[in-house]
Amino acid sequence: GQSLEQPSEVTAVEGAIVQINCTYQTSGFYGLSWYQQHDGGAPTFLSYNALDGLEETGRFSSFLSRSDSYGYLLLQELQMKDSASYFCAAPYNTDKLIFGTGTRLQVFP
Amino acid sequence: DTAVSQTPKYLVTQMGNDKSIKCEQNLGHDTMYWYKQDSKKFLKIMFSYNNKELIINETVPNRFSPKSPDKAHLNLHINSLELGDSAVYFCASSQDSLAVRGLVFFGPGTRLTVL
Repeated sequence: GQSLEQPSEVTAVEGAIVQINCTYQTSGFYGLSWYQQHDGGAPTFLSYNALDGLEETGRFSSFLSRSDSYGYLLLQELQMKDSASYFCAAPYNTDKLIFGTGTRLQVFP
Repeated sequence: DTAVSQTPKYLVTQMGNDKSIKCEQNLGHDTMYWYKQDSKKFLKIMFSYNNKELIINETVPNRFSPKSPDKAHLNLHINSLELGDSAVYFCASSQDSLAVRGLVFFGPGTRLTVL
């Protein structure tokens, strides 16, 4: 089976940098995705790391270390609109995406 | 707009009733899913269909019956609703192998409340 663990909540102020961690246990691993979900909304795709290392997309970066079974999402220059829940997710048997426990990010002015 | 759409957005019903949620995607994707998100925001896969064929049934009670009339539609029928069925149900779709891109497109969700 698979499990992906995240901190339940992270808080930060506007303009700051925040890191959301994800540790996983899996019998087979292909890569790690990140999704953002605003209250009342649907999860939307942010990034996918198939290989170790850092992937940068604008203010958001995602990192993966397979040897440590660990990844993180880095959000820079935080804005109020970044307040949302963030989920890591991993494909299992290539045909389903298993989601992490989710991290609620609150950004304060 | 190209997207995954589902109806209704809200569903309030009594215990014991039967209800359906409809989903359509016009992205041309081969694979569609139903996910359930509970009050603690855990997102759990329920079903997966590929080209109208059931691929995954995640030990969901058989009161839940998905139906895919074609690869663009995946509906969810729920019989004898229970209080514990209250949740947000998301339809989703994907095209590329999840191992390649880890990319799934979600519909707006249906908030089901069972009274």
